[in-house]
Amino acid sequence: AQSVTQLDSQVPVFEEAPVELRCNYSSSVSVYLFWYVQYPNQGLQLLLKYLSGSTLVKGINGFEAEFNKSQTSFHLRKPSVHISDTAEYFCAVRLPSSSNTGKLIFGQGTTLQVKP
Amino acid sequence: GAVVSQHPSRVICKSGTSVKIECRSLDFQATTMFWYRQFPKQSLMLMATSNEGSKATYEQGVEKDKFLINHASLTLSTLTVTSAHPEDSSFYICSANERRASSYNEQFFGPGTRLTVL
Repeated sequence: AQSVTQLDSQVPVFEEAPVELRCNYSSSVSVYLFWYVQYPNQGLQLLLKYLSGSTLVKGINGFEAEFNKSQTSFHLRKPSVHISDTAEYFCAVRLPSSSNTGKLIFGQGTTLQVKP
Repeated sequence: GAVVSQHPSRVICKSGTSVKIECRSLDFQATTMFWYRQFPKQSLMLMATSNEGSKATYEQGVEKDKFLINHASLTLSTLTVTSAHPEDSSFYICSANERRASSYNEQFFGPGTRLTVL
């Protein structure tokens, strides 16, 4: 079975500072990895995903993430955050098999609080 | 881009009534749709997976008779909360996998439905 652990429930950071949101996963097989953002009372928006290939993945809004197979991690980073980045961030995995329905397994979420 | 809509966005109902939530893929065909439940400040909990024309697959601990899911077409799935009670109050989110020939099918999320049971 797969599982996802987001190591920080809340991350406060000042505007224009860099930020890293940590995500570790557990799986005995290869998985696809995702980061989603959720603004209050809204659904989820895909920030970026890792399917295969280059381990450094760039997404929307200036975010990027690096897949580290040996450490089973997929940490999300942004070099300079804005107030508008304040939101809930979810890391997720799913099996890549075409026979799989595509069920996503989510981490617990990390609240990013950007302060002026 | 692919859009998933949900209706209604908010619903308030009395205890004991049933509530239907619709999830539609607006510009693509969805092979599979998912229903999630999210409590405040918590992660998404998958309730069930539905495929067009077949019965939904429910996750362990989710009552099939309470949360009725119908996936009548490739663009519409509905979740009916039967005999709702205050503990069913939550944020319900659906998502849909785009039908593609490749092994990877992008999953798109709806905006969610806030259910409040009085």
